[in-house]
Amino acid sequence: EAGVAQSPRYKIIEKRQSVAFWCNPISGHATLYWYQQILGQGPKLLIQFQNNGVVDDSQLPKDRFSAERLKGVDSTLKIQPAKLEDSAVYLCASSTITAGREQYFGPGTRLTVT
Amino acid sequence: DQQVKQNSPSLSVQEGRISILNCDYTNSMFDYFLWYKKYPAEGPTFLISISSIKDKNEDGRFTVFLNKSAKHLSLHIVPSQPGDSAVYFCAARVNTGNQFYFGTGTSLTVIP
Repeated sequence: EAGVAQSPRYKIIEKRQSVAFWCNPISGHATLYWYQQILGQGPKLLIQFQNNGVVDDSQLPKDRFSAERLKGVDSTLKIQPAKLEDSAVYLCASSTITAGREQYFGPGTRLTVT
Repeated sequence: DQQVKQNSPSLSVQEGRISILNCDYTNSMFDYFLWYKKYPAEGPTFLISISSIKDKNEDGRFTVFLNKSAKHLSLHIVPSQPGDSAVYFCAARVNTGNQFYFGTGTSLTVIP
């Protein structure tokens, strides 16, 4: 079974530029999560989708971050414009609805904003 | 507000000995707890979980203990192996939602 795929793995941009991350969850997983992990901290949930609907986006900085999950499969997370404090690893995870509790994580995208 | 805390950033243990990783939480509404293991440049992988209705769950070398009155969770690894060297995160879920709250992680080093 293929795991959660993310790209790119690394990205370096200047502040005020825009960036987009892509995630392909495990086949059949209805729930998809985007997390932000700043160095030295645990992952923090940014947004959760169930199929193509948003379940929770309470911690998503909506003035600069956006995410979509078209057709309930792949998802993209965008930052525009980026700030220095957005430097972090962005993790995508997926789970089944019935399991719900065990999330399968991708390798993450390490973003550096200079 | 950090609702899940791992107060030990690092831990070193000799191979074959027991590793004990600790986690404290503040929210009494948490009903499900998990431990994840993370190697460098990889995403976290699920290790073991426990429901709030239990106080112990065991899976091979890994045992998780839950003390609800103390709001404390611990992961025991016996015997520890060099391949266990990784960062361990505990996570908890509120019984009314789907969001998981993660601790800051403990870096375990198992010395051969």
